[in-house]
Amino acid sequence: DAKTTQPNSMESNEEEPVHLPCNHSTISGTDYIHWYRQLPSQGPEYVIHGLTSNVNNRMASLAIAEDRKSSTLILHRATLRDAAVYYCILRDGRGGGADGLTFGKGTHLIIQP
Amino acid sequence: DAGVIQSPRHEVTEMGQEVTLRCKPISGHDYLFWYRQTMMRGLELLIYFNNNVPIDDSGMPEDRFSAKMPNASFSTLKIQPSEPRDSAVYFCASTPARFSPLHFGNGTRLTVT
Repeated sequence: DAKTTQPNSMESNEEEPVHLPCNHSTISGTDYIHWYRQLPSQGPEYVIHGLTSNVNNRMASLAIAEDRKSSTLILHRATLRDAAVYYCILRDGRGGGADGLTFGKGTHLIIQP
Repeated sequence: DAGVIQSPRHEVTEMGQEVTLRCKPISGHDYLFWYRQTMMRGLELLIYFNNNVPIDDSGMPEDRFSAKMPNASFSTLKIQPSEPRDSAVYFCASTPARFSPLHFGNGTRLTVT
């Protein structure tokens, strides 16, 4: 499976935008970029995913570099409830490999009040 | 929609005892996944089912672990005999289709003393 690289931790202030980076230099043409987050004492939660174009939903935005070797998850206005571990995951759209997700270590996002 | 339901939420048992973890997926979801999370190894996929049939159990650590899905609304993960190194949080997840986002339960925290 293609791997992703994320910073171990990031810190931001409440009500400010947060940009969480992810590098995936070995991404293949059929890999989708998925983001999940895990709040304390909860299971992972789907956030957003995309292939080539930028994507927006009610939770966040996903900005994908033109060469697809990196992406950024954008939380437009962070709240204390956004403090979590954020995982960037590549998932082969052809179904190659296991159908489950392969989680890395993620980025621990700390929100300061 | 109640989401993925796992029970018990916490389980404490002594080494050598049998442990059974339970999962009720979201109705209509054809895929079910069991994950394990530890500080050292992060989130690991143990096994997944499609239409109640085990598809990939390559992540199951050893023969002490077994999983079943007798019907579309119920799955169990059994450890017999349990060992202290099995202490972890076990998550169940389900999804309606192969490339749809996964929905996770809140996990079972297992402590083996």
